[in-house]
Amino acid sequence: QKEVEQDPGPLSVPEGAIVSLNCTYSNSAFQYFMWYRQYSRKGPELLMYTYSSGNKEDGRFTAQVDKSSKYISLFIRDSQPSDSATYLCAMRDENTGNQFYFGTGTSLTVIP
Amino acid sequence: EPEVTQTPSHQVTQMGQEVILRCVPISNHLYFYWYRQILGQKVEFLVSFYNNEISEKSEIFDDQFSVERPDGSNFTLKIRSTKLEDSAMYFCASSVDRDYGYTFGSGTRLTVV
Repeated sequence: QKEVEQDPGPLSVPEGAIVSLNCTYSNSAFQYFMWYRQYSRKGPELLMYTYSSGNKEDGRFTAQVDKSSKYISLFIRDSQPSDSATYLCAMRDENTGNQFYFGTGTSLTVIP
Repeated sequence: EPEVTQTPSHQVTQMGQEVILRCVPISNHLYFYWYRQILGQKVEFLVSFYNNEISEKSEIFDDQFSVERPDGSNFTLKIRSTKLEDSAMYFCASSVDRDYGYTFGSGTRLTVV
């Protein structure tokens, strides 16, 4: 299943760094895009939600969607050790279905 | 903050046995979902449930699986005749609207031996 591709990492950065996490997708009908954070042995936690193209900012987090390139990004500014987790992208077609398609997740470690 | 509650957190069962995984979605949510995550693999959609009926199911969700909302608060996933390959984390989720992000529970780790 290659609907959504995400580099699994692991990614390791020093505290305070800017982190860039990315997903690519193949289905041009995807319109709803989400980023989830998943701590070990926990369920995914919704971080950011965007519809169609553009940017969305929430505190230290910025989500970007480039539909022409079928590419989405999550940026984390001033990264903290508490940001260490697995980050999952998920997306859905507007017109059909209820299911979201997930990436494999990128494991991030922020080193103090 | 409201949360989705799943029980048990870990279930070990013998191959061929039936298991019921339980979920209490957020009270004002109308859409309910089950997803699963096999170790090291993607989170995969199983089924969505709205207005007391299945609204969509994946090809994974075959006759071995069923869902119920037996009362106003619980949402259950039943797996009949479990197989080794059913071992996974099973996540329940709920949402106010199908276009909105889900709230996931912490999951039930199912181990079939």
